[in-house]
Amino acid sequence: IVLTQSPGTLSLSPGERATLSCRASQSVTSNYLAWYQQKPGQAPRLLIHDASSRVTGIPDRFSGSGSGTDFTLTISRLEPDDFAVYYCQQAGTSPPSFAFGPGTRVDIK
Amino acid sequence: EVQLVESGGGLVKPGESLRLSCVASGFTFSNVWMNWVRQAPGKGLEWVGRIKTKSDGATTAYAAPVNGRFTISRDDSKNMVYLQMNSLKSEDTAMYYCATDFFKTCFGSWGQGALVTVSS
Repeated sequence: IVLTQSPGTLSLSPGERATLSCRASQSVTSNYLAWYQQKPGQAPRLLIHDASSRVTGIPDRFSGSGSGTDFTLTISRLEPDDFAVYYCQQAGTSPPSFAFGPGTRVDIK
Repeated sequence: EVQLVESGGGLVKPGESLRLSCVASGFTFSNVWMNWVRQAPGKGLEWVGRIKTKSDGATTAYAAPVNGRFTISRDDSKNMVYLQMNSLKSEDTAMYYCATDFFKTCFGSWGQGALVTVSS
């Protein structure tokens, strides 16, 4: 499965809503779709798993939705700490495989 | 607090070998499947491989680009997971992260990474 993310870069101001898209070339098994945040010089951080389940400790301004081939990460009100690169990732189970999208950079406008 | 610390990175020539280590703390290591994920400089993320727990047979799985060249192993007595990399190529140049499995479908906790550079 190939994942495509759009847009490549999103330029927004703090307080605005961010909508990030992740599209799969075929249906994602059991909606095993995760989202990560990565800041420069840091390891990725898991935000969302199973398309819409927020990881413990992740602020509720982050939400995931979608199913099948189309998924969305929404950040309801951007805070300064949210400007980063966001990756989606899908899991295949037999054989095991994990693919990441190319990422969406959220920049300060 | 979960902590993963990688070590063993460095500069090697094409065709050479290198072994990365990752020591874990803050959780019951023997109960967790472990992964390696890499990121080439300025590029995106790429899953490298995974090892299950000993109780699940310590079975490994690898991404196609590294299958047959890389081997993942674990030592639960030391809370360590290893990535043995043989026949290294320039395209293996990357930051290598160890990461815990999360519900068998994604990666919950990550180390800070070990940089591997393959260049003549």
